[in-house]
Amino acid sequence: DTGVSQDPRHKITKRGQNVTFRCDPISEHNRLYWYRQTLGQGPEFLTYFQNEAQLEKSRLLSDRFSAERPKGSFSTLEIQRTEQGDSAMYLCASSLARSGGVNEQFFGPGTRLTVL
Amino acid sequence: GIQVEQSPPDLILQEGANSTLRCNFSDSVNNLQWFHQNPWGQLINLFYIPSGTKQNGRLSATTVATERYSLLYISSSQTTDSGVYFCAARSGTYKYIFGTGTRLKVLA
Repeated sequence: DTGVSQDPRHKITKRGQNVTFRCDPISEHNRLYWYRQTLGQGPEFLTYFQNEAQLEKSRLLSDRFSAERPKGSFSTLEIQRTEQGDSAMYLCASSLARSGGVNEQFFGPGTRLTVL
Repeated sequence: GIQVEQSPPDLILQEGANSTLRCNFSDSVNNLQWFHQNPWGQLINLFYIPSGTKQNGRLSATTVATERYSLLYISSSQTTDSGVYFCAARSGTYKYIFGTGTRLKVLA
C-alpha cells in the first residue's frame, strides 16, 4: 500500500493557460474524491467518482473544470483558462466502500497551483 | 446541506498540557473523520468515528451522534502535535463537509 499519490506537487502557470493534475488512488479503492483548499480554510468538495462514474459534482466546479477517471483507476482534474482565483491546493482522496457504510478517506499530498 | 463547525479556532498550549477540540454538525451523519494537517499540507488520518469512542496513544475521540458533536482529546501534548486539526462529516450524499479547523500550536 503506497498511499494516494498526486502529480505534480507544485504547478505555476500564467492566467489563461490550461493545467491538468493527476491522482493515483490506493489500488483497491473504488471511490475517489477531489477537493480544493484555499489558505486558512478547510478542504471544499469538488467531485466524487465511484469506479469510473462521476456521481456528484459541486457547484464550485465551473464549466472550466473537468474531471475524469477512465477505467476506474487514476483520475485527472483539468482546469481550462485558469484564473488567479483558481490558486489553491488541490487534494485527492480515495476510499473503499465497506459493509456497514464504512467509508474512510485517505488523502494524497496535494497539488499546489499558483496562477500568475 | 450539513454544516460543520469547529472550536476553538486557535489554541496555544505548553508542552505536556491536555486539550479538547470540538466539532459540531448540523444534521445526523453516517461518516465522520478527524484529520491532522501538517505544515506541508498533508492530511493525516487520526480517527474514523461516526459514533462511539476510540483511542490511539495520546489521542482519543468521542462522537455523540444523537447530540451532533464529536470531541478530539490530546493528552500530554508535544511540539509535533502542532498544526491544523479538521473534522469532516458526511450526511446522506457522497461528499464530506470539512470544518474550518482548529489551529494548534504547542510551545516547548
